[in-house]
Amino acid sequence: AQKITQTQPGMFVQEKEAVTLDCTYDTSDPSYGLFWYKQPSSGEMIFLIYQGSYDQQNATEGRYSLNFQKARKSANLVISASQLGDSAMYFCAILPRAAGNKLTFGGGTRVLVKP
Amino acid sequence: EAGVAQSPRYKIIEKRQSVAFWCNPISGHATLYWYQQILGQGPKLLIQFQNNGVVDDSQLPKDRFSAERLKGVDSTLKIQPAKLEDSAVYLCASSPVSGYNSPLHFGNGTRLTVT
Repeated sequence: AQKITQTQPGMFVQEKEAVTLDCTYDTSDPSYGLFWYKQPSSGEMIFLIYQGSYDQQNATEGRYSLNFQKARKSANLVISASQLGDSAMYFCAILPRAAGNKLTFGGGTRVLVKP
Repeated sequence: EAGVAQSPRYKIIEKRQSVAFWCNPISGHATLYWYQQILGQGPKLLIQFQNNGVVDDSQLPKDRFSAERLKGVDSTLKIQPAKLEDSAVYLCASSPVSGYNSPLHFGNGTRLTVT
């Protein structure tokens, strides 16, 4: 079975600064995808960024980048130039190929951006 | 494209009552999921459909929860009878294809309160 761990329950970040959200995972499947989602207080889950286990380069999507360290089984999300609208819960999730599209989430990290 | 539609947005019921949630996935998405998200936790998969067939319902409490996806499009999740511990946000998600590189697209969720 796969497992996702997010050790930071909450973080404060100053507006315009960068913040790194930690995510470690465990799976025996060599083929998997890693996803980050944002959940504002309104409740919807917004897909941010994807990293495949065989991707050679770290994924980037606008102000979001993924620091993928496969040997350490970590996939940290970096948000650059934080904005007030970035205040939300952030979830890391894993989808091993053998899991039949079963996406498993971590416990989440709450980010609060201070003006 | 229109996103995943869910209704109702909020629901308050007393324990032992029944409740139903509705989900309409993104047009053309073959795979549909129902997730339960208890306050302060990451979402947990309840059931996964591929077209109108169930792929995974291993974490669905079948003594009280049921779900169907007639005609392989929209879906209904029912709880009967509800318990206090069913208070949660119920998220519906869909994806176009099966694969570990395919992100799930989520609806806004239904927030259920059982009193």
